[in-house]
Amino acid sequence: GAVVSQHPSWVICKSGTSVKIECRSLDFQATTMFWYRQFPKQSLMLMATSNEGSKATYEQGVEKDKFLINHASLTLSTLTVTSAHPEDSSFYICSACKADSYEQYFGPGTRLTVT
Amino acid sequence: AQKITQTQPGMFVQEKEAVTLDCTYDTSDPSYGLFWYKQPSSGEMIFLIYQGSYDQQNATEGRYSLNFQKARKSANLVISASQLGDSAMYFCAMREGGSYIPTFGRGTSLIVHP
Repeated sequence: GAVVSQHPSWVICKSGTSVKIECRSLDFQATTMFWYRQFPKQSLMLMATSNEGSKATYEQGVEKDKFLINHASLTLSTLTVTSAHPEDSSFYICSACKADSYEQYFGPGTRLTVT
Repeated sequence: AQKITQTQPGMFVQEKEAVTLDCTYDTSDPSYGLFWYKQPSSGEMIFLIYQGSYDQQNATEGRYSLNFQKARKSANLVISASQLGDSAMYFCAMREGGSYIPTFGRGTSLIVHP
């Protein structure tokens, strides 16, 4: 158990458009979900933490208005990159925690390329 | 100061040999957890092994073992009998106290050659 999916797995979009990435916990309820960003050959950088039904908590330096996070249900969180620019091109990974557990289960990631 | 330090940007090992990936950590919290993840070229993060700060014995999971030296604040990953499929990035991570959020090291790229 504890499977997390992400959709899409990769996306190419034009500069100025918005892109939505979905993160779903398939076989458990995720009270907390995390969004990470990873540049090539670098470590994971936490962008934000989202709890179901409440506003996301963003890490310092992450633009809230650019990276919109919605955790609408216990199985779904979405990350919307608004008005994307080439510098937003990156690998975005989500993870989810079960209730009363510290274990994080990672999604397979979404590779975003902005042209 | 970095909380997780992985000093080896890249490691090479011959197939079937053992390899140790280094990880040192820094925390003043007596309660913490240490993780190792594998990230192949596909990008997914694969959980390998976990060690709690109060665990008396070193964690083991199949070919993976964690050499936990608390006084030295090190948590090295040992992979025995390396396989070609072990080629990947390996990240050490630490979660402190009651936090859900782990801190990741910079990673070590492991290449297993035949």
